[in-house]
Amino acid sequence: KAGVTQTPRYLIKTRGQQVTLSCSPISGHRSVSWYQQTPGQGLQFLFEYFSETQRNKGNFPGRFSGRQFSNSRSEMNVSTLELGDSALYLCASSLQGSRYFGPGTRLTVT
Amino acid sequence: GIQVEQSPPDLILQEGANSTLRCNFSDSVNNLQWFHQNPWGQLINLFYIPSGTKQNGRLSATTVATERYSLLYISSSQTTDSGVYFCAVGNTGGFKTIFGAGTRLFVKA
Repeated sequence: KAGVTQTPRYLIKTRGQQVTLSCSPISGHRSVSWYQQTPGQGLQFLFEYFSETQRNKGNFPGRFSGRQFSNSRSEMNVSTLELGDSALYLCASSLQGSRYFGPGTRLTVT
Repeated sequence: GIQVEQSPPDLILQEGANSTLRCNFSDSVNNLQWFHQNPWGQLINLFYIPSGTKQNGRLSATTVATERYSLLYISSSQTTDSGVYFCAVGNTGGFKTIFGAGTRLFVKA
């Protein structure tokens, strides 16, 4: 089976812009979760989706949003980008509790 | 929320040495995984181990859920074992994954 894929892999944006990141889970996995990794804060949970429903959300401002489609693919959106949003954004798909991560999208905000 | 503490924060080993990494968590969990993050940022799934013991080659892990800790053992370490090891837990019904701060391992040749 193909692993979790994320696009794009690298992204450079300017403050105030918005960005959309995409994640395609492993075939058959219906749960997708998103994480932000920064040197200062480590790996932080953003949100988790299952069958197009958000099941939980981390402690992030409303500028961070996500959705899941009927084919389990997921997108996350960050609006009004700030310098502090520069990070590695990781997506994971899971089956029976075990999470499998994609390679991540490295976002740089200038 | 659940707190996850990993120790030690940093570890330097000579190739061939053994090591034990620890993960303590503050509340009951129904989900615990160990990951290795390689230099390119990819998180590699090592073990899904909410309880009990598992082994995979030179790696093994034990979780004692009643005492709220998990251990990752690396035997006969190799330079390719270098990287950051994370413990991640999920609480019952919360559908939220909490990561520890990680243990940064460097294996010298």
